[in-house]
Amino acid sequence: DVVMTQSPLSLPVTLGQPASISCRSGQSLVHSDGNIYLHWFQQRPGQSPRRLIYKISERDSGVPDRFSGSGSGTDFTLKISRVEAEDVGVYYCVQGTHLPPTFGQGTKVEIK
Amino acid sequence: EVQLLESGGGLVQAGGSLRVSCAASGFSLRNSVINWVRQAPGKGLEWVSIIIRGGTETYFADSVKGRFTISSEISKSKVYLQMNSLRVEDTAMYYCAGGGTDWFSFDIWGQGTVVTVSS
Repeated sequence: DVVMTQSPLSLPVTLGQPASISCRSGQSLVHSDGNIYLHWFQQRPGQSPRRLIYKISERDSGVPDRFSGSGSGTDFTLKISRVEAEDVGVYYCVQGTHLPPTFGQGTKVEIK
Repeated sequence: EVQLLESGGGLVQAGGSLRVSCAASGFSLRNSVINWVRQAPGKGLEWVSIIIRGGTETYFADSVKGRFTISSEISKSKVYLQMNSLRVEDTAMYYCAGGGTDWFSFDIWGQGTVVTVSS
């Protein structure tokens, strides 16, 4: 199975400041169709996960543009340009290129 | 509106069986995929199973292979996860997720259904 490693696991941030979460895969995520199926999810306290970003950098409908994804190869990043109170929660990356799909451990974002 | 809604969770003894359901609305199971993803209390997300285009293909995590099956009723727009020989470690919130055509893009998620396995 492909191991997905997120860092940091805990991220205290000040309101209005940027935040960055790293996700590294244990092997290339390039699919035979040429796509890279690396996605990011937000799970607010007590809620189901919600997809924010798909295929590295495509933002889902309704997701604020302060969220952005980037990366290539085996290193990927989720950035929040200015953290708001509603961004508190756990963020997961997942690789959907290889079977089985595998999630990162999660990064807990909290307000300082 | 595209939506998923799980049901059927509950408390069961170890070794027992349970079937959870996922009702899809706003799209057809004939053209899409549905995954089951679980989350043990206080833990992260773990993929469990996928059914592709109403059942043309199915796959399972090693942790549930041989114990769980997945099926669908396209006419009812429902997907089922049949869980047999349940273990305490299967205790989790079970989410269905999918709705698109990419196998593991987990486009939308339901609210989840809780499965508790007691010893």
